[in-house]
Order: sequence, then C-alpha cells, then structure tokens
Amino acid sequence: GENVEQHPSTLSVQEGDSAVIKCTYSDSASNYFPWYKQELGKGPQLIIDIRSNVGEKKDQRIAVTLNKTAKHFSLHITETQPEDSAVYFCAARVDTGTASKLTFGTGTRLQVTL
Amino acid sequence: GAGVSQTPSNKVTEKGKYVELRCDPISGHTALYWYRQSLGQGPEFLIYFQGTGAADDSGLPNDRFFAVRPEGSVSTLKIQRTERGDSAVYLCASSQSWVADTQYFGPGTRLTVL
Repeated sequence: GENVEQHPSTLSVQEGDSAVIKCTYSDSASNYFPWYKQELGKGPQLIIDIRSNVGEKKDQRIAVTLNKTAKHFSLHITETQPEDSAVYFCAARVDTGTASKLTFGTGTRLQVTL
Repeated sequence: GAGVSQTPSNKVTEKGKYVELRCDPISGHTALYWYRQSLGQGPEFLIYFQGTGAADDSGLPNDRFFAVRPEGSVSTLKIQRTERGDSAVYLCASSQSWVADTQYFGPGTRLTVL
C-alpha cells in the first residue's frame, strides 16, 4: 500500500520568514495530494491540494509543488504569521474517479515565533 | 453551513467495555470516512461508506471494530471489548459525492481506555 513520509517533524520560524515542509510517497499511482492544517483540539482542515497533472499551485501565501518523477511534493508558506502555527499533514490518494482513502504523513508541527 | 459533527467529544471507558462513536456528516454528503489518529501521528484510514454500504473496510484493525450507516447519513463506529491500545482520536470525514472529492473532517472523538 501507499506510504507517505513527511519532514521535518518540527519547524520553528520567525514571523515573516518562509516555511517549507516536504513529503515523499511510494505509490506511483497516487495522483491527488492535499495538505491539511490541524489546530489543537480540532479536526484537519484542507488548506490546498494539487493533482498530478500540474506541477505547482498557489493560493495567496501558500503554494504546493509536485515532482512526479521523484515522487515528492512540498508545501511552501511565505510571510508566516503567528496564526500559521499548527500541525500540518500531507496526504496522498489514488483517484480512479470514485472516492477513496487518504494516506497521511506523520505531520509537521510549525511554530511561528514573534 | 454546519460542518461534520461528532459525539461525544471525549469518551473515557474501561478495558473490556463496549463503546459507540457517532458521526453526523455535512448534509447531503454521500461519502463518509472514519480515520483513527494516535498521538503524534497522522490520521489512519479505517472504513469508508458510499451511501449505506461500506465500500472499503480494509483499515479496520480487527473484528472488534464495526461501523454502520443504516440510512446513508449518520454513522456509528462501534468498538467491542476495548483495549488500551484503542485509545486515540477517532475522526470522521465526509465528501459530497461518490466521485473523488474533498474530504471535510469533524473535530474528532478522543477515546481513552483505562
């Protein structure tokens, strides 16, 4: 089955700096890659996703890049703010047209300091 | 509109007891997922429903775990003869249709088995 690895496990940046979180996946059939943000005591919330037919997607301060050949994808957050502090999870899914399960990474705890 | 809701938010039980965890998906969503999140880990897939039937139950760890969705809306995850290793946050997610779609997560139920 699919295996998703995520690094780093913790990341501390100063407010205004950029943060990068990286994930690799094992199943070359995976073609959908969402990123979720989880705040304490809450469920994961989708922040951005990318499909394998594009290499990059951007939404304001957040961007995701995908390298299908290397089977890795990354989350980039620019101009970080204290409210970006949370745990971030990458995930992968094989989309065959019908709904299916997500395989998650182990998470990155991002701390944005003032 | 209302998101995915889960009850109870916290459940403490003793080893060997039976528990039921409830999920109310977003109104009109036909697909419903259960995941389990252990401390410091990403969510792990348990089971997925399309309508009333379980389309994929490959993530259920053993036959002590069972889930139902009798009317295609609310779902209940049932755990028999609970063990300390069952302690985790149980997350429910729903998506709009049977096609591969965004999964929206609830806040989870924190289960503690003493």
